[in-house]
Amino acid sequence: DTAVSQTPKYLVTQMGNDKSIKCEQNLGHDTMYWYKQDSKKFLKIMFSYNNKELIINETVPNRFSPKSPDKAHLNLHINSLELGDSAVYFCASSRGSGREHYGYTFGSGTRLTVV
Amino acid sequence: QQPVQSPQAVILREGEDAVINCSSSKALYSVHWYRQKHGEAPVFLMILLKGGEQKGHEKISASFNEKKQQSSLYLTASQLSYSGTYFCGTVGSNTGKLIFGQGTTLQVKP
Repeated sequence: DTAVSQTPKYLVTQMGNDKSIKCEQNLGHDTMYWYKQDSKKFLKIMFSYNNKELIINETVPNRFSPKSPDKAHLNLHINSLELGDSAVYFCASSRGSGREHYGYTFGSGTRLTVV
Repeated sequence: QQPVQSPQAVILREGEDAVINCSSSKALYSVHWYRQKHGEAPVFLMILLKGGEQKGHEKISASFNEKKQQSSLYLTASQLSYSGTYFCGTVGSNTGKLIFGQGTTLQVKP
């Protein structure tokens, strides 16, 4: 049983297109996150949802829009893709609201390549 | 503010020990440690809380010095399976956000 699953695993698309990445967790966790990992392996937080409510919204372009239909799902929609959006996007989840003492469980990542 | 890890890279022989340090300029609520193997997701190792506690996970342990806002990860008698990139992550007292350091690449050779 996959704890945090993301689809698709790979995404190759042209500049200007719109794409979505889906994430689901079956751990019963309350909080879900999107992280972006660039080519230098830097992991940067983008968004966080706690029980469907947006609680962290970092400085990312408004072309990125997260949506959480329920606490087990967090999707990421990206409009007008740019070359600089190429990266690996990780979904993660944790118990509590993020301030408690729990580790994060990461999905396997979505490698996005914009050409 | 991103925590700073040192060293950036370590090469070891099997059986040798290593220490990876993580420091922050902000007051911390907790410190996380993760390991990421090439092409895989980061995997949670342990979390340390305010209070200067030390934790262990097999032959991997860590400490957290709250006063200095520093944490260290200790890998003893390293095994080939320890190879990967180690990230510390810090949660600020006011933010609730987990911010990762730049990573330390560890390579264990036979």
